[in-house]
Amino acid sequence: NAGVTQTPKFRVLKTGQSMTLLCAQDMNHEYMYWYRQDPGMGLRLIHYSVGEGTTAKGEVPDGYNVSRLKKQNFLLGLESAAPSQTSVYFCASSYTGGSYNEQFFGPGTRLTVL
Amino acid sequence: KNQVEQSPQSLIILEGKNCTLQCNYTVSPFSNLRWYKQDTGRGPVSLTIMTFSENTKSNGRYTATLDADTKQSSLHITASQLSDSASYICVVTFDSGGYNKLIFGAGTRLAVHP
Repeated sequence: NAGVTQTPKFRVLKTGQSMTLLCAQDMNHEYMYWYRQDPGMGLRLIHYSVGEGTTAKGEVPDGYNVSRLKKQNFLLGLESAAPSQTSVYFCASSYTGGSYNEQFFGPGTRLTVL
Repeated sequence: KNQVEQSPQSLIILEGKNCTLQCNYTVSPFSNLRWYKQDTGRGPVSLTIMTFSENTKSNGRYTATLDADTKQSSLHITASQLSDSASYICVVTFDSGGYNKLIFGAGTRLAVHP
């Protein structure tokens, strides 16, 4: 099993450009999450999904959109990138949303917006 | 406000030595507390999980403690190895009503030198 994979690993954008980050998991997990990690701060939840076709806002959703058309994939879109969105983005998945359920993380995507 | 604070921010130790990392939280209602290890350029990986009623949990050379009364946790690493060089993140889960939300600390960056 590959677990949670993310593409691309690195990306540089200019302000105003758009892009989509792809997350895929092969563990048949229902829940998927997108986080961002900034220096000196803990991971913060952007959006999450409790199942195919459903999405919900997390702690810092502004400037991002998501889609979960297939159970195994969770896409994060930036419609008009801003320098404040320079960050490392992590996707995670869990079998359910229960408190004891471990979230498994992907390797991250390092995004720089110039 | 729900917060997780970790200390120290960074730590350098010599191979073979022990160390203890600290985590204080102000999260309520509390479900459980996890310690994650994050290698450079990788996603976090769970080391231990403790519920309210557990006060210690071990995973090899890693031992986590929890004092739910004082809302403090520690991660003790015994006989450190070079491969222990990583960031260690304390994560507290609480029931936000919709799903169990994770509050991440900023992490302690540990460097083990030969």
